[in-house]
This record gives sequence, structure tokens and C-alpha cells, in this order.
Amino acid sequence: AQSVTQPDIHITVSEGASLELRCNYSYGATPYLFWYVQSPGQGLQLLLKYFSGDTLVQGIKGFEAEFKRSQSSFNLRKPSVHWSDAAEYFCAVGAGYGNKLVFGAGTILRVKS
Amino acid sequence: NAGVTQTPKFQVLKTGQSMTLQCAQDMNHEYMSWYRQDPGMGLRLIHYSVGAGITDQGEVPNGYNVSRSTTEDFPLRLLSAAPSQTSVYFCASSYLRDTRSGTGELFFGEGSRLTVL
Repeated sequence: AQSVTQPDIHITVSEGASLELRCNYSYGATPYLFWYVQSPGQGLQLLLKYFSGDTLVQGIKGFEAEFKRSQSSFNLRKPSVHWSDAAEYFCAVGAGYGNKLVFGAGTILRVKS
Repeated sequence: NAGVTQTPKFQVLKTGQSMTLQCAQDMNHEYMSWYRQDPGMGLRLIHYSVGAGITDQGEVPNGYNVSRSTTEDFPLRLLSAAPSQTSVYFCASSYLRDTRSGTGELFFGEGSRLTVL
């Protein structure tokens, strides 16, 4: 069965510092991978997705993620964090027909000024 | 363009009561789904539908019913609410973009926060 692990429950970074959120997946075939962001009291917004091709994927708000098959990872990065990036971030893997997604438990990002 | 609309946004129920969470999308998406979000557990799939008249169970279907009579609407019914169903519920929809794998980008509603006393 598919699974997603986000090892960090909370991460705190200073504004302007770089960010990397970790995501490891378990899936038997070529994975379809996603990163979503959730601001407090809001729904989920897609940051970026990987279906195939270039393993470095660019998303919205200056985020990028790199698919590494050998490490079963899809880590999210941003070179310089802004206070507005404080939110909860979810990694997800496509789990077959019907667009089913399996989500990780999420990582809460705090940004200190 | 409203996207995915969920109602109500907040609801308090007593144990044993029934209710329906409404979900409507105006993007003509074939796929619709319901997730529940609980702290430390991410989102878990309750039920999903790949088109009108077609529904199937997800990871945590017990205690919930769904139906899909139209492309636009996908209501979630709690027949006899239990405290374990206290959660935030999200409806999501998408195109069936890749017919080989069926995986496309999900669009989420803003959520419905349910408390069962």
C-alpha cells in the first residue's frame, strides 16, 4: 500500500532563511507526487506536482521540489522564506485510479522574524 | 468561478444525530471525494466518485454514506454521529486527467468543521 512520511512535525525558520521540508513515499510504480499548503482555517492549495520528466519541479510562491527515485523522496525547498509562508504543508502520493491521494501527516512551518 | 463549495462551514451535533455535509463544484470535474483531517494524521480518504452514479469507499468509510446523482454534487451523510467523527471534512474534485493512472490535481473546498458531543 502507498504511504507518505513527513518526518518533521514542526519546523521553525527565520525569515529570509532557506527551507527544506522532507517527504518520503512508498509506492511500487512511478509515483505521482504533490505538495499542498494549508493556511489556518483554509482549504488546501496545490504548490507543485510531479508526474514525469524533469525531476526538479517548480511551483507557485517560489517553491520547488526534487524527485529522487533512489531515495524515494520528494523534498520541498524555498531559498528565502517569507513570514506569509507560515502554514501547514502536506506531501501526497497518487494512489491509483480515481485520483485518490495518500497524504502525509503534515509539517507545520513557523517563521520567526 | 466558485470552484468547490462546502456547506455548512461549522456544525455541532449530539451523538446519534444525523446530518449531511454538502459539496458542489462548478468545474465539470468527473472525480469528487471526501477527506477528513485530524491532527497528526493528515487527510484520509472517506469516499470518492469517478462520475455520476459511481461511488466507492476510501480508507475510512465506516459511519458515512455518499451518493452522486449529478456531476456537480457529492453530499456526505452521517447517519448516526459519534464523537469519533469530530473532524474537519474536505471535499475535493478534479478531472480524470491521466486515464492510465487516474491521477490529476485535486481542488479543495474550504472545509467543514464538525463537532460531535
